[in-house]
Amino acid sequence: VMTQSPATLSVSPGERATLSCRASQSVSRNLAWYQQRPGQAPRLLVYGASTRATGVPPRFSGSGSGTEFTLTISSLQSEDFAVYYCQQYYNWPPQYTFGQGTQLEIK
Amino acid sequence: EVQLVESGGGLVQPGGSLRLSCAASGFNFRSYEMNWVRQTPGKGLEWVAYISHIDGSTFYADSVKGRFTISRDNAKSSLFLQMNSLRAEDAGLYYCARDVPWNVWGHGTLVTVSS
Repeated sequence: VMTQSPATLSVSPGERATLSCRASQSVSRNLAWYQQRPGQAPRLLVYGASTRATGVPPRFSGSGSGTEFTLTISSLQSEDFAVYYCQQYYNWPPQYTFGQGTQLEIK
Repeated sequence: EVQLVESGGGLVQPGGSLRLSCAASGFNFRSYEMNWVRQTPGKGLEWVAYISHIDGSTFYADSVKGRFTISRDNAKSSLFLQMNSLRAEDAGLYYCARDVPWNVWGHGTLVTVSS
């Protein structure tokens, strides 16, 4: 089970946002973060806990391993206000699971 | 341009069936593992099914095992999801997605299960 906190985070543009994801058991570094804007499919931001996907700005950074993970967005831009999901892909055979999401809203 | 386009969604009665399709373009489809992922009001994002590009092996979420079947046609660069014995909780937006983790997504096709 993947648990994200907080459910909603209110932050002002230009400030830093820190999102958390906890796994009920170790997933090593097999952890991804996705961003979903309204009306769009999720977009892969980070995989391997800390590697940015192609084209993702450096203000997005992931960290952690085992059961505790963090996505940090430095200096929030208007387009960053969206829902963020973590997802583990450690299990084999696959039983990939998502967190319930964190809504990042403008303060 | 790398693209995935889903189709086949619609309104179906509980207990009914639907077959979803996903047309891939812009990449060598036969070289990639593929998945179906759904987004439902009740459970949010949920992985549904996986199919290997190496040996065609398939895996399913427990919630759909025995009811859904994932398949692929490499010659036509297409992915499919046969959904039988549909339930109200299967309603949602179904995405096909490439790789693990999912680096390329379609825009989804909507499945509604209602009498």
